[in-house]
Amino acid sequence: AQTVTQSQPEMSVQEAETVTLSCTYDTSESDYYLFWYKQPPSRQMILVIRQEAYKQQNATENRFSVNFQKAAKSFSLKISDSQLGDAAMYFCAYPGGNYQLIWGAGTKLIIKP
Amino acid sequence: NAGVTQTPKFQVLKTGQSMTLQCAQDMNHEYMSWYRQDPGMGLRLIHYSVGAGITDQGEVPNGYNVSRSTTEDFPLRLLSAAPSQTSVYFCASSSLMTSGRWGTDTQYFGPGTRLTVL
Repeated sequence: AQTVTQSQPEMSVQEAETVTLSCTYDTSESDYYLFWYKQPPSRQMILVIRQEAYKQQNATENRFSVNFQKAAKSFSLKISDSQLGDAAMYFCAYPGGNYQLIWGAGTKLIIKP
Repeated sequence: NAGVTQTPKFQVLKTGQSMTLQCAQDMNHEYMSWYRQDPGMGLRLIHYSVGAGITDQGEVPNGYNVSRSTTEDFPLRLLSAAPSQTSVYFCASSSLMTSGRWGTDTQYFGPGTRLTVL
């Protein structure tokens, strides 16, 4: 079965420092996309970053970048220069079969001022 | 461009009552879906649709019904509310195959509905 695992229920980081959120997944596919979504206290889910599996270069969006290890089926999110506005739940997602996205349980990120 | 809209934002029901959660999108997306979010469990897919007139079950469909008569609207019906259906419900939409295959497009979410069943 296709699964997505986020092993860190909660992480905390000092403002301006760097934090890495982990995500592992299980698939037999060779070409796919992976996504990180953010859910702030407002509850609105928004896309943070996405990665195409066949691209060797890790995706980057401003202070957000991924460490994609295809062989290890690992898709970590690195947040540099953490800001108070980064405090949120972060979800990793993988498009499974039958038009169903498979979601991790989420990691709550706390930013310490 | 309003994106994905959901109504109501909050709702309290008594056990056995029925209700409809509304979802609409104005981006001409083929794919629409309903999720429920419970603490510590991430998002679980209830039902989804790949176009008008086409719906299918997700991971947790029992107790819920959907229809898709237009591209824009995808209502979720609770047939007989139970306390186990207390949750936050999200509607999402996306293009289906911009890149030629499923799963390459960003999901756009509504603001969610917090439902409490007493």
